[in-house]
Amino acid sequence: EDQVTQSPEALRLQEGESSSLNCSYTVSGLRGLFWYRQDPGKGPEFLFTLYSAGEEKEKERLKATLTKKESFLHITAPKPEDSATYLCAVRRTYKYIFGTGTRLKVLA
Amino acid sequence: SQTIHQWPATLVQPVGSPLSLECTVEGTSNPNLYWYRQAAGRGLQLLFYSVGIGQISSEVPQNLSASRPQDRQFILSSKKLLLSDSGFYLCAWSVQTASGNTIYFGEGSWLTVV
Repeated sequence: EDQVTQSPEALRLQEGESSSLNCSYTVSGLRGLFWYRQDPGKGPEFLFTLYSAGEEKEKERLKATLTKKESFLHITAPKPEDSATYLCAVRRTYKYIFGTGTRLKVLA
Repeated sequence: SQTIHQWPATLVQPVGSPLSLECTVEGTSNPNLYWYRQAAGRGLQLLFYSVGIGQISSEVPQNLSASRPQDRQFILSSKKLLLSDSGFYLCAWSVQTASGNTIYFGEGSWLTVV
């Protein structure tokens, strides 16, 4: 069965304290791994797409990496405005399967 | 550029009443369209997806239905709402491009069934 598991469920960081979020997946015929940011009461906002093991993408303080079994979202020197829920998803044919997310809180 | 509109943003409906949520996409043609539901503290659950007009695939058996009357219009309906239908409903679209196939979301609709 296709499955996406994110950890930790929640994470509290001090401003400037770097950390990583994990997304492990089991899916046959992976056709992309996606990261999204979701603010409370809003739709998810697209961050990155990764397609093959070894691929990396960066955007400001965020860097996403991909292996054959998992993906990491590295947050370097986070700021309070990075507080949000971060969602991971995998695509299999037409379907996008989401994890339950990591709720990140960055304290000033 | 592509945009997605979803409405209404918020609604409170009594148990047993009908439901209609609408979604339209602008700036692209023949998109794949999706309805997801997000319960409090939980991930996104795929309800329906459509790869073309009149083509609907259902992922979860329930009292909801979806229709795609036009290429860029997707409607989520119910004849009789249940308390368990409460949640955050998200419409989304994707289209194959040279750089891949990413799914993009609308702002969502909050449904409270009372």
